[in-house]
Amino acid sequence: SQQGEEDPQALSIQEGENATMNCSYKTSINNLQWYRQNSGRGLVHLILIRSNEREKHSGRLRVTLDTSKKSSSLLITASRAADTASYFCAPISNFGNEKLTFGTGTRLTIIP
Amino acid sequence: DGGITQSPKYLFRKEGQNVTLSCEQNLNHDAMYWYRQDPGQGLRLIYYSQIVNDFQKGDIAEGYSVSREKKESFPLTVTSAQKNPTAFYLCASSIGADEQFFGPGTRLTVL
Repeated sequence: SQQGEEDPQALSIQEGENATMNCSYKTSINNLQWYRQNSGRGLVHLILIRSNEREKHSGRLRVTLDTSKKSSSLLITASRAADTASYFCAPISNFGNEKLTFGTGTRLTIIP
Repeated sequence: DGGITQSPKYLFRKEGQNVTLSCEQNLNHDAMYWYRQDPGQGLRLIYYSQIVNDFQKGDIAEGYSVSREKKESFPLTVTSAQKNPTAFYLCASSIGADEQFFGPGTRLTVL
């Protein structure tokens, strides 16, 4: 399994602004997943993007994938206080390995 | 109402004791996982199971043991051999390599 690396480690923005966080990985992937974790809770799956997709939307979330650069980005538009959480990416490799490996995440704080 | 549950929410252990964390799912998922999370850190995989009666070590299996006798259940035992067990433990399940569904977690503290 390979680990995604999220950047930045922490991000603070005003409510209503857009938040962008990035994920880099090292080897070819089958898909890449983004998760959110509120403090003291389990992770919640946000979106999955497959290697043959370049962009995917879900509500206020937009995920892009650039396989040539081995990177993905998560954009949250019109941020809300409830978006305050840690966000993790998890790349799934092509080698039939189903394990997810998580980095340290991006800690997003929305300032009311 | 499908989902994945963990119990207890909080658990306290004396040094030298073994404790078992429960994880149950009614999602009919074949695969189940145990992760450990330390403060301000990401998740590290302890054990995973892709089918009943079979499981594999993850990245930090030392000091832990699991069983998978039923599809719905994947209990984790933290043994006395685990020298620094204080952490937040998360269980998850999935179908194949798609999204994982996580439980609410168990916070284990060693007294």
